[in-house]
Formats: sequence, C-alpha cells, structure tokens
Amino acid sequence: DAGVIQSPRHEVTEMGQEVTLRCKPISGHDYLFWYRQTMMRGLELLIYFNNNVPIDDSGMPEDRFSAKMPNASFSTLKIQPSEPRDSAVYFCASSRGREKLFFGSGTQLSVL
Amino acid sequence: GENVEQHPSTLSVQEGDSAVIKCTYSDSASNYFPWYKQELGKGPQLIIDIRSNVGEKKDQRIAVTLNKTAKHFSLHITETQPEDSAVYFCAAEFQGAQKLVFGQGTRLTINP
Repeated sequence: DAGVIQSPRHEVTEMGQEVTLRCKPISGHDYLFWYRQTMMRGLELLIYFNNNVPIDDSGMPEDRFSAKMPNASFSTLKIQPSEPRDSAVYFCASSRGREKLFFGSGTQLSVL
Repeated sequence: GENVEQHPSTLSVQEGDSAVIKCTYSDSASNYFPWYKQELGKGPQLIIDIRSNVGEKKDQRIAVTLNKTAKHFSLHITETQPEDSAVYFCAAEFQGAQKLVFGQGTRLTINP
C-alpha cells in the first residue's frame, strides 16, 4: 500500500486566493482526519470523517475553511479566501477504527 | 477542557543513554494513549500505543508506562541511537469528544 497520499507537497499562494488540498486515504480505512501543524499551536484536529460523513468539525477555525469527502478514496480541504495566518503544514490521516492513525507527508502551505 | 501536557519540549542525550518523555492528560475517562515519531519533512508515525487496562508495554528499545490514577504516561527509549533523533508526540483519546488530542511535542536529539 502506498500509504496516505497528499497533494500538493508545497503550495505558495497570495492572500485572498482559494487553496485546495487533496488527500487519498489508505484503502479500507473508514476514518479520515485533517490536522494542521504550526510551531505555536502544535498538531490541531480540524475535522474528521467516518465512512465519508463529517463527524466533528469543531476544529475548523472559520467559515473560510471547508472539507469534503465525496467518496471513500478522496477528500479535500479548501480555504477561501486564504490569509497569511493560514500558513502551516496540513496533514491528512486515515485509520481503521478511530485509533492507529496513518499520516500522509503533509502539504506545506505558505500564504503571502 | 481537553488538554495534554508534554515535557520536556527539547531533550538532548548521549548515544547509548536512555531518554524519557512525560505527558499528563486532563480527561480521567481517556483509555487510549499513542506515541508518534515525526522525522523532518514527514508526517507523524505511530511507534507504540497503550490502553488503560495495562500499566506498561514494551517493543524492543521502546516502552510506555501509564499511571491512570495520576493521569500521566511516559515514553522510555533505551540504548538510544542517532536514528532516534526526531520530534515525539504523545496523545490521548478524549472519550467525550471522541477524538485524539496531541501534546506539544518533544524534540529529541541524540549526540554521537
């Protein structure tokens, strides 16, 4: 298995632009998580899905953030409009059951 | 609230010595405690986990201990090697919120 696949690895954009991050979870996993990592706040859970249904989005910072999971093999995290404070590494993780998360390599987002 | 405190934030040890990282958690109902290792440019990787029905678990040079009464758990790495250098995160599953909350991380450096 190729593991959790995220794209792009790096994204540089200007303030106000729309950003879309993509994730392909491990086949057979029923949970998918989006985390954000910064020096100041560490690893923060943004949202997670179970069987493609959003379960907890309480970590999504603002209405500018949205996430979808149209099927078991694909999820997106969208930021519109982006702001410099959104600069961070965004990780997608998947698991069978809610434990033993497998993380992707992350997307390094820089908003100028 | 949901909180996991991790100490120390940085740790430097001589190769061959032992390293210990400690975490405390706020939810007495938590019953699942994983540890993740994050190498530079990669996502966190699960290295060991423990459930509340056991007090200690070992896997080769890595061990985790849990004290549910005191609400703290620790990671022990013996005979440290240069490849152990990384950032280590503890986490606790918060039952009410049904989510994993991470500590702030410990940057471990093994000096040759």
